[in-house]
Order: sequence, then structure tokens, then C-alpha cells
Amino acid sequence: EVQVLESGGGLVQPGGSLRLSCAASGFTFNSYGMSWVRQAPGKGLEWVSGVSGSGDNTWHADSVKGRFTISRDNSKNTVSLQMSSLRVEDTAVYYCAAQRGYFHYWGQGTPVTVSS
Amino acid sequence: EIVLTQSPGTLSLSPGERATLSCRASQSVSSGSLAWYQQKPGQAPRLLIYDGSSRATGIPDRFSGSGSGTDFTLTINRLEPEDFAVYYCQQYGGSPRTFGQGTKVEIK
Repeated sequence: EVQVLESGGGLVQPGGSLRLSCAASGFTFNSYGMSWVRQAPGKGLEWVSGVSGSGDNTWHADSVKGRFTISRDNSKNTVSLQMSSLRVEDTAVYYCAAQRGYFHYWGQGTPVTVSS
Repeated sequence: EIVLTQSPGTLSLSPGERATLSCRASQSVSSGSLAWYQQKPGQAPRLLIYDGSSRATGIPDRFSGSGSGTDFTLTINRLEPEDFAVYYCQQYGGSPRTFGQGTKVEIK
């Protein structure tokens, strides 16, 4: 059974930092790219960051470039998103997803609220 | 960046009817690299269709995808009560990956 489980969300003040984690199982982890996709309250889906199966290549949306860093550990089947200089507009549910271009497997999401 | 525009914004239909959802891209999506997702309130999105017309594992055959280039369609035949949800298209032919704004299929 495929499982994707996010953790690490919470309330943080503007300018603060937060690290999200994602643990995956039930599929060949290193054969999938992994991404974080977020959804602001009442809004649509936005791709945020992605990492290749090997971990050698990473990509970030312009809206988070220079503030967020994605990484993966294939020995532990985990992905992380380090978020810094957080803004109010980063408030969203953050989903971890296994991808092959399209997003195949999704976690249930972890909420991040940026507020003073 | 490829912008995806979905229409209509909301579709009001009765169970048993057919739903036709449109996704139009601002430029051609290479190799039909387009996916469709279903999202219900409080849940994560679920992959329905990839590569424009291939159904994901476990997706009923009442869901079908078609199209190429800049125009894509998701058709749901004989709507079931569990099909009322928000549907998103997403392209992966260009970078960054982008989503449409969603179409809500609601019970009439």
C-alpha cells in the first residue's frame, strides 16, 4: 500500500522558518521525482518545489526561490522542505507528492499558517 | 509559463448526467502531457487521468480524457453522487508545472 505522510506544519510568524518532512512507502521511491504542492485557503493548487529521483536536481517556483530548499534522502525514503523568510502569503496546506511529470501519489497535507 | 484556463467555473448537474470540463492552455502542451485530478473537501487531490487520456489505476471508466495541443477535455459519463467535487487540470510539458484554477461540479 502506498503511503505518503507529511509532518512539520504549524503556526509561524512572518520572517520565520519551518521545516516540512515527508515519509513515503509502498513504491520505488528513488524512481520518482518528489514535489511539494500547496493550496492556500479556498484557492487552487500551486506547485512549489521539486527534486529529481536521484536528488541531483531541484526546482522551485519563482514565488519561493531563494527562500525554500527541497532535499531528499533516498536511504530513508524521505523528502524535506526547508522554508525561511516566510510570508503571510505562504499560508497554505502543503502536500507532498510523488511525480512522474504528473503527481501520482499524494499525502494528506500539513497546514502552515504564517501570522503574527 | 503555460497558463491553463478551465471552464466553466462551476457546473451544476444531476446524478446520471454527463459532465464535460474544458482545459485550455496558453501554448501547446507537448506530447499531450496533461493530467486531471479530483479533489473533495478536506481531502488531497487524486490523480484521474495522465498523458491526456490514460486513466490512473482504479479510476472508473466513466472518466475519460481527450484532447491535444492547447485544448483538453475531461468527460464524466453518468455522474455518480461521489463525483461531485472540484476538478483540476495540470500540465507537465513545460516548466514550471502549472494547474488550472479548477472546475466545481455541483449537484443541481
